[in-house]
Amino acid sequence: DTEVTQTPKHLVMGMTNKKSLKCEQHMGHRAMYWYKQKAKKPPELMFVYSYEKLSINESVPSRFSPECPNSSLLNLHLHALQPEDSALYLCASSETGATANEKLFFGSGTQLSVL
Amino acid sequence: AQSVAQPEDQVNVAEGNPLTVKCTYSVSGNPYLFWYVQYPNRGLQFLLKYITGDNLVKGSYGFEAEFNKSQTSFHLKKPSALVSDSALYFCAVRDPSGAGSYQLTFGKGTKLSVIP
Repeated sequence: DTEVTQTPKHLVMGMTNKKSLKCEQHMGHRAMYWYKQKAKKPPELMFVYSYEKLSINESVPSRFSPECPNSSLLNLHLHALQPEDSALYLCASSETGATANEKLFFGSGTQLSVL
Repeated sequence: AQSVAQPEDQVNVAEGNPLTVKCTYSVSGNPYLFWYVQYPNRGLQFLLKYITGDNLVKGSYGFEAEFNKSQTSFHLKKPSALVSDSALYFCAVRDPSGAGSYQLTFGKGTKLSVIP
C-alpha cells in the first residue's frame, strides 16, 4: 500500500464552524506533513510531524491545530477560519523526515471552501 | 536560503515531440533536487530526484532530468510527449546542509499542455 488517504475530499464550512481533516498512511512512514495549496500556486508547508512529535510549525495561525494520534494518522482541526483559508489542503508522508533525500508521498487533498 | 525558479508558466508541445520543462535553483551547499507532477484535483506525485552521482536522472513515465551544476539547472525532459503528460509540474529543492532539512522548497509550477 503506497497511498496516503485524505478525507473528506471536499469540505464547505462557515466561519464559526469546527471541522477536522483526516489523513492516513500505512506505509510505516514516521514523518507526516500538512501543506496548503492555493489554485495554480505551489504547496506551502504548514506543519511537520516526525515520530509523532510536532517538528515544524511554519507560523501557522492558531485556528489551524494539528494532531498526530499515532504514526499512521494525522488530523488538522479547523476553527473560526477565514474565507482566505479556502484552499487545497494536502497531506504527505515520508520515511523518517530526517533525511533530506526522502521523497514525499502526497494524498489527493481536501478542497476546503470557507464561506 | 534556498530557492527554485521555473521561468515558464506554461509550456505547449505537440504530441510526439520532445518536451523540456525548465528549472534553476539556488542553495548554499550541494542541492537535492526533485520533480513532482500534479494532475487536476489531485495531490503531487514524485517523478524523480537527483542526490548525487550521474547527472542524468531517469524517473517515472519516461521522464528524465539533467543536473547541471555550472548552470544551476535541473531541467525535466521527455523524448516523446503524450497527451496524458498534460499536468502541472513542480521542481523542488532541499539543502541538506541547511538547518531545516525538512524544508522542501517548491518552484511556482509549470503547466504543460500536450496538443494532440
